[in-house]
Amino acid sequence: DVKVTQSSRYLVKRTGEKVFLECVQDMDHENMFWYRQDPGLGLRLIYFSYDVKMKEKGDIPEGYSVSREKKERFSLILESASTNQTSMYLCASALREAYNEQFFGPGTRLTVL
Amino acid sequence: GQNIDQPTEMTATEGAIVQINCTYQTSGFNGLFWYQQHAGEAPTFLSYNVLDGLEEKGRFSSFLSRSKGYSYLLLKELQMKDSASYLCAALDSNYQLIWGAGTKLIIKP
Repeated sequence: DVKVTQSSRYLVKRTGEKVFLECVQDMDHENMFWYRQDPGLGLRLIYFSYDVKMKEKGDIPEGYSVSREKKERFSLILESASTNQTSMYLCASALREAYNEQFFGPGTRLTVL
Repeated sequence: GQNIDQPTEMTATEGAIVQINCTYQTSGFNGLFWYQQHAGEAPTFLSYNVLDGLEEKGRFSSFLSRSKGYSYLLLKELQMKDSASYLCAALDSNYQLIWGAGTKLIIKP
């Protein structure tokens, strides 16, 4: 049974805190993605990675960074959390070719106070 | 700019058929995905179309017209568990996914 797991389902942080969101996949997928999902908006890509130690900016990378030290793990870092980063964060993984389906984790609902 | 349009919300009756439309404008096109997302859960893959025509998978079918920039998802014999959001996403010339905002489907008994 394929699986993408995220470190927390719910997280509450204060403005200015450094926040780590972790994602692990057990499918040996090359590609990993971080999205945020807000009501009325489509999934918005923050960062993606095609390989270990490789990262590419998505549509909304400002205020975020990522780390991929191992193939199965992709971390999203909020260097200094702000209230406008309150959102649902979804991690996904996929095989290398873009036409392959993405497998999503359960999501982390982050609230920044 | 790149854009995906789909209705915000639709309502249908249990046992009926519903068609969810999606129009896309992208720089280049390499296929279209449909995902299902139940409230509070992760999206799950339903279909991928890259050629024109209808593809059927059980009660769900997906149609693509590349010349019209149009796709639809057809759900037959609706069940209460089909209540969910349905996300349309197009793959552009750079093989990046452009996501629609999703269509919330409400099924009534």
